[in-house]
Amino acid sequence: DAGITQSPRYKITETGRQVTLMCHQTWSHSYMFWYRQDLGHGLRLIYYSAAADITDKGEVSDGYVVSRSKTENFPLTLESATRSQTSVYFCASRGVDSSSYNEQFFGPGTRLTVL
Amino acid sequence: QQQVKQSPQSLIVQKGGIPIINCAYENTAFDYFPWYQQFPGKGPALLIAIRPDVSEKKEGRFTISFNKSAKQFSLHIMDSQPGDSATYFCAASSLNTDKLIFGTGTRLQVFP
Repeated sequence: DAGITQSPRYKITETGRQVTLMCHQTWSHSYMFWYRQDLGHGLRLIYYSAAADITDKGEVSDGYVVSRSKTENFPLTLESATRSQTSVYFCASRGVDSSSYNEQFFGPGTRLTVL
Repeated sequence: QQQVKQSPQSLIVQKGGIPIINCAYENTAFDYFPWYQQFPGKGPALLIAIRPDVSEKKEGRFTISFNKSAKQFSLHIMDSQPGDSATYFCAASSLNTDKLIFGTGTRLQVFP
């Protein structure tokens, strides 16, 4: 599939379990981002990556781990899930073309519930 | 200084009305101000964006008004339609950062 995809779309897990959310893009975009969306908080950046093997923290990175061994993939791992991590998670990507400066393209989201 | 404050949190208008969503920022280094539109169950998508060298940008029924001195910008939707019902996010960014800073979102409902 062309574009940006996320899997799974829905996930229910238990407190303390490790969970990995997958993100894949086919545009060869340099930048990739993970956000969480919660009512009243909007979209908050968890982690981002400027290129393969380069990652940096966002404003809500505690409890999350990312990796980027390939340009097209950017998995997000919750090392030990907590109820406060129940949220909708969005992956996004963007290129470096100046004509689309900073436009981010979002995936369809993963709804995660931690019981 | 990194915050973008958005209001109102929700908005209800009738078809044909002109909803207005407002955002304010503090960081004077911001030089790119996009609006994203999100339909239920979907990811956000870029709707329209403005740079601070202009005070207004119009694309179809959507207009951004920008006030650099007040550090505010707003989205106006002319002749609103039920299909415009969505959540709208403002955001801001600058040349020396890779990140977008998002507002908290406005849920718009347009009734027939």
